[in-house]
Formats: sequence, C-alpha cells, structure tokens
Amino acid sequence: KQEVTQIPAALSVPEGENLVLNCSFTDSAIYNLQWFRQDPGKGLTSLLLIQSSQREQTSGRLNASLDKSSGRSTLYIAASQPGDSATYLCAVPETSGSRLTFGEGTQLTVNP
Amino acid sequence: GAVVSQHPSRVICKSGTSVKIECRSLDFQATTMFWYRQFPKQSLMLMATSNEGSKATYEQGVEKDKFLINHASLTLSTLTVTSAHPEDSSFYICSAREPQPGNSPLHFGNGTRLTVT
Repeated sequence: KQEVTQIPAALSVPEGENLVLNCSFTDSAIYNLQWFRQDPGKGLTSLLLIQSSQREQTSGRLNASLDKSSGRSTLYIAASQPGDSATYLCAVPETSGSRLTFGEGTQLTVNP
Repeated sequence: GAVVSQHPSRVICKSGTSVKIECRSLDFQATTMFWYRQFPKQSLMLMATSNEGSKATYEQGVEKDKFLINHASLTLSTLTVTSAHPEDSSFYICSAREPQPGNSPLHFGNGTRLTVT
C-alpha cells in the first residue's frame, strides 16, 4: 500500500526566503505526482503535476522535482510572499486515473 | 482551466436530517469523480469513487447507506449524507479529472463544511 509522507509538518519563514518542501512515497511505481495548495476552509488548488517520465516542472516561483528511484519529490518556492501561506499537499495516484494518496501536508506561514 | 464547482459551501443541519452536496465539472465531462472527507488539521481521506452511469465504489469503512452517491450525468455527482449525526460534521471535498490522454491533473471543488447540530 502506498504511503506518502511530508516533511516538515509546519514551516514558518520570513518573507523573501527561498524554501523547500519535501514529499516521499513508498512505492516508486507511480504514474505522476501532484502538488496542491489548500487555504483554510477551502478546497485544493492544483499547483504542479509531474509525470513519471519527467524530472521537474516549473510554474512561476514554484519548481517541483521528482526522483522516482528514491521515492522523493520536492517543491521549491522562490522569494516567498505572505500570500504563499497555506497548506501544501503532495499526492500520487495508485494507477493511471485512479484515486490519489495524499501526504499529511506542510503548513507554511510566510511572515511579512 | 478546468473548474469543479461544489455546492453548498456551508450547511448546518439538525441531527437526523439528510443533506445533499453537489459536485459539477463546469467545462469538461468527468466519467469519474472522487469524494473526500477532511477532519481539522488532517489530510484528505477518500470516501468513494463516483462512476457515471454505475454504482459508486466505496472505501473500506465507509457506509454505503449512510453516504449515498449518484453520478447521473457526465458533469454532476451528488453526495447525500443520510440521517446525519454530529460525528458526520466534517469538510467534504469532491474532485474530478479531465478526460485528456495520459495522466491529467485532478481538480478539486472548494469543499462543503457540514455541521450537524
């Protein structure tokens, strides 16, 4: 059974810092890995999806990497802003098109 | 981009009543939708997979008769919490995947906060 772990559980940084969020998974036979953002009391917003054949994906200040062999993914946030404060979740599907297994999330606070 | 709309965003009901939550894919057809439940400060727990035109697939431990799912069209799935009790109070979120070749992203609704008094 796939297990997804995110470290750290919470992170507080001053505005402007670059930071890295970590995600690890136990079964490397994944189709893709998706990073989401969740604001308090809201649903999930998809940030980046990395296919299993890819090593990284970039969107603006966000860069996600994937190392299938080691079962790891990182989300790099450059020049963090207070508006980046949210919970960040990574998730992997068990098979193509199937349900996702989520990590517990990293709660990020960016202080002005 | 693809949008998933969920309604209502908040609902308060009395114990013993039933509540229906709607999940719509606004600009794409979704043969499969997923229903999740989230407790405070916890991650999402998959409850069931909703399949258009057929019965939903429930996760272990989720009561089918308690959480009724109907996926009558390619753009609408509904979750009905029957005879709700205070322990059913939670945040319910639906999601749907775009029908693109390969592995497309999963899009989520904004969730429904259910409070049972």
